Amino acid sequence: RKEVEQDPGPFNVPEGATVAFNCTYSNSASQSFFWYRQDCRKEPKLLMSVYSSGNEDGRFTAQLNRASQYISLLIRDSKLSDSATYLCVVNGRGGGKLIFGQGTELSVKP
Amino acid sequence: EPEVTQTPSHQVTQMGQEVILRCVPISNHLYFYWYRQILGQKVEFLVSFYNNEISEKSEIFDDQFSVERPDGSNFTLKIRSTKLEDSAMYFCASSALGALSPDTQYFGPGTRLTVL
Repeated sequence: RKEVEQDPGPFNVPEGATVAFNCTYSNSASQSFFWYRQDCRKEPKLLMSVYSSGNEDGRFTAQLNRASQYISLLIRDSKLSDSATYLCVVNGRGGGKLIFGQGTELSVKP
Repeated sequence: EPEVTQTPSHQVTQMGQEVILRCVPISNHLYFYWYRQILGQKVEFLVSFYNNEISEKSEIFDDQFSVERPDGSNFTLKIRSTKLEDSAMYFCASSALGALSPDTQYFGPGTRLTVL
């Protein structure tokens, strides 16, 4: 089983659409969870941390289900500028290293 | 806003040559990392570094790789004898707290290494 597994994508959506990304992780001892965004050939940039209670940042909502080892990201009212690859990331066993999923590509069309 | 910087942005080298990739982490950060991303693949952890020593390394980080913090600002990754499969984007990252608590790692813009 992959350490972090994401929907393969790509997701092609019209502007204004709501899109959801899902992710599962294999290490039940993971403590930190994140969504990063990566634009083509650029560095990953933190979009948001994910907390057990769920958290929201504007149009973005992240959820964590520890029992199911499942993380989600919801983007409402998609903008053209949301087009990117979304990376599900968890901290590795015992330390600060980050384990990345393969990423899900999102393309928002006019 | 403070940021991680990396040089060079692109390095082309011949197989078997040594390369040194350079990073300047955010100034008050204490934990430093190297990751790589082969084209079309996921970002992979290579090594973490704290208090002038390696705290963790992956299977990828074999004897051909080494890291160093030669002064108070730079953090380097050396590949002793490059192979074709070392061609990738190499990202440096830094964080303030490391594994002590959930913490954000900030990534540099990367160095694209091409081995011919």
